[in-house]
Amino acid sequence: AQKVTQAQTEISVVEKEDVTLDCVYETRDTTYYLFWYKQPPSGELVFLIRRNSFDEQNEISGRYSWNFQKSTSSFNFTITASQVVDSAVYFCALSEAEGGATNKLIFGTGTLLAVQP
Amino acid sequence: DGGITQSPKYLFRKEGQNVTLSCEQNLNHDAMYWYRQDPGQGLRLIYYSQIVNDFQKGDIAEGYSVSREKKESFPLTVTSAQKNPTAFYLCASSTRGGVNTEAFFGQGTRLTVV
Repeated sequence: AQKVTQAQTEISVVEKEDVTLDCVYETRDTTYYLFWYKQPPSGELVFLIRRNSFDEQNEISGRYSWNFQKSTSSFNFTITASQVVDSAVYFCALSEAEGGATNKLIFGTGTLLAVQP
Repeated sequence: DGGITQSPKYLFRKEGQNVTLSCEQNLNHDAMYWYRQDPGQGLRLIYYSQIVNDFQKGDIAEGYSVSREKKESFPLTVTSAQKNPTAFYLCASSTRGGVNTEAFFGQGTRLTVV
């Protein structure tokens, strides 16, 4: 069965520290997509990145970077030089392929990141 | 501005009452979703709809009902049969392009049963 595990419930860092959020997934599909979303205190989920199962290249976007490794079924997210505005809950998600018609997301339980000034 | 609007932001309900949560989108998306978020449990799918006049149950549909009479609207009714309705409810939409399309989320409705 498809499953996403975010083992870190809460992480607290001091501003300017680097921090890595872990995500491990399980799926029987050969074609799948992985996502990261950010949930600030306002509540809505903000899309950060999408990655397909055939593309293991790491990606960097400003202070954000993602490390996708199929061998360990992991899709980790690193924030470099963290800032207070990065404080939020971060969700990793896996899309379920059922017929491919709809993006049904399976979410991890989220990691609460608190960046202290 | 294009987006998803959920209303109300906070909702209080007495036990035994049905209540309807509104979700409207102007992104011209075919697919819409309802998720429930509980502390420490992530988001779980309640119902989803791929097209007007069609919807399917998600993982935790019991005690909920939906309708999809218009492309822009996907209201969720929390019925009295839902045993533990206090939660944060998020509506989302996406294009009907398959598993590679990201979903866009509303700001959520926090429902409290009093």
